[in-house]
Amino acid sequence: AQRVTQPEKLLSVFKGAPVELKCNYSYSGSPELFWYVQYSRQRLQLLLRHISRESIKGFTADLNKGETSFHLKKPFAQEEDSAMYYCAHETGTASKLTFGTGTRLQVTL
Amino acid sequence: NAGVTQTPKFRVLKTGQSMTLLCAQDMNHEYMYWYRQDPGMGLRLIHYSVGEGTTAKGEVPDGYNVSRLKKQNFLLGLESAAPSQTSVYFCASSGTGLEQYFGPGTRLTVT
Repeated sequence: AQRVTQPEKLLSVFKGAPVELKCNYSYSGSPELFWYVQYSRQRLQLLLRHISRESIKGFTADLNKGETSFHLKKPFAQEEDSAMYYCAHETGTASKLTFGTGTRLQVTL
Repeated sequence: NAGVTQTPKFRVLKTGQSMTLLCAQDMNHEYMYWYRQDPGMGLRLIHYSVGEGTTAKGEVPDGYNVSRLKKQNFLLGLESAAPSQTSVYFCASSGTGLEQYFGPGTRLTVT
């Protein structure tokens, strides 16, 4: 079965520090990978997807097929980045997603 | 556009009671999904639908049933609630672009 692993439950960084949220996947083909974010008291929403190769809110994520990773990065963390982040992998048909267990990012002053 | 809405927002059930969660979307999306979110386990797919009148099992379907009689609605039923079904339930929908749009969630407690 396809799996998505997010090894950190909580990542705490200071404002202005770099952020890296780790995500590893198990899939031998060409994966469709996503990062979703859930801010406090808001619904889950798409942050970015690897096929678009764009930067959203200063975040980027590069697919590394050799390491089967899709880590989320931001050079300078902001307070408003504090949220729950989920890595997800498209699974089979009907655009189904397999989610990782999530990492809570806490940005402190 | 309201996007994806869920009813109710909160519910407390006693073991053995039944209930139905309603999900509605106004984006004319073909695909709809029900997930449960539990601490330390992320989101797990319960059931999904690829169109009106169709449903299929996800990763954790036991104890749940679903129906998609209308394209815009996706109902999740619990016939006999158990404490293990205490969770936050999210509905989502998707069109042709892979992105899933989520509802605000329903917090269910089974005592």
